[in-house]
Amino acid sequence: GAGVSQSPSNKVTEKGKDVELRCDPISGHTALYWYRQRLGQGLEFLIYFQGNSAPDKSGLPSDRFSAERTGESVSTLTIQRTQQEDSAVYLCASSFGTGSDTQYFGPGTRLTVL
Amino acid sequence: GDSVTQMEGPVTLSEEAFLTINCTYTATGYPSLFWYVQYPGEGLQLLLKATKADDKGSNKGFEATYRKETTSFHLEKGSVQVSDSAVYFCALNNAGNNRKLIWGLGTSLAVNP
Repeated sequence: GAGVSQSPSNKVTEKGKDVELRCDPISGHTALYWYRQRLGQGLEFLIYFQGNSAPDKSGLPSDRFSAERTGESVSTLTIQRTQQEDSAVYLCASSFGTGSDTQYFGPGTRLTVL
Repeated sequence: GDSVTQMEGPVTLSEEAFLTINCTYTATGYPSLFWYVQYPGEGLQLLLKATKADDKGSNKGFEATYRKETTSFHLEKGSVQVSDSAVYFCALNNAGNNRKLIWGLGTSLAVNP
């Protein structure tokens, strides 16, 4: 079946603009995670969804970052007033739920803020 | 909080050499342990995992054993190939922490023919 998909694959934006990143998880996966991979740094957890609720937003770096999920499917990560330090690869992963420990990753969105 | 410490790279080996990439962890409870691999230009893929002490995960000739006594999950392969050139990430998650993955910094491996 189809894996996790993300769009766009690349996004170049100017500092101060808003961006939206999309994730389509594997069908039937109730858990969805967003991570960020900045150059020269490790992967960082951003936010976790169970269904359409986000019980763990502890990784969002500032209030410029927000995310939503609808229909227990698609999720959108929004970054407002982008800054250069937001440049990173944003990764989405899904799993059957917290009872399942294996997450499947999308190809990521590479965000470059000029 | 939970953390993962991974051997720094880059690691450069000749084809057919033995590979070890060290990974140790700090965690409460009983985490699951993972190795993910990122080949050049590709996304993260699960390489192997282990969910309890003394479990051995294996895939594509790679192995790692969950050692609770030493809090380690070292990745090994007996004979590497050029196609194994990639970045390898050690990670853990915990049922008590929403299963979010806690990551090591990654180890870049280059295998020369």
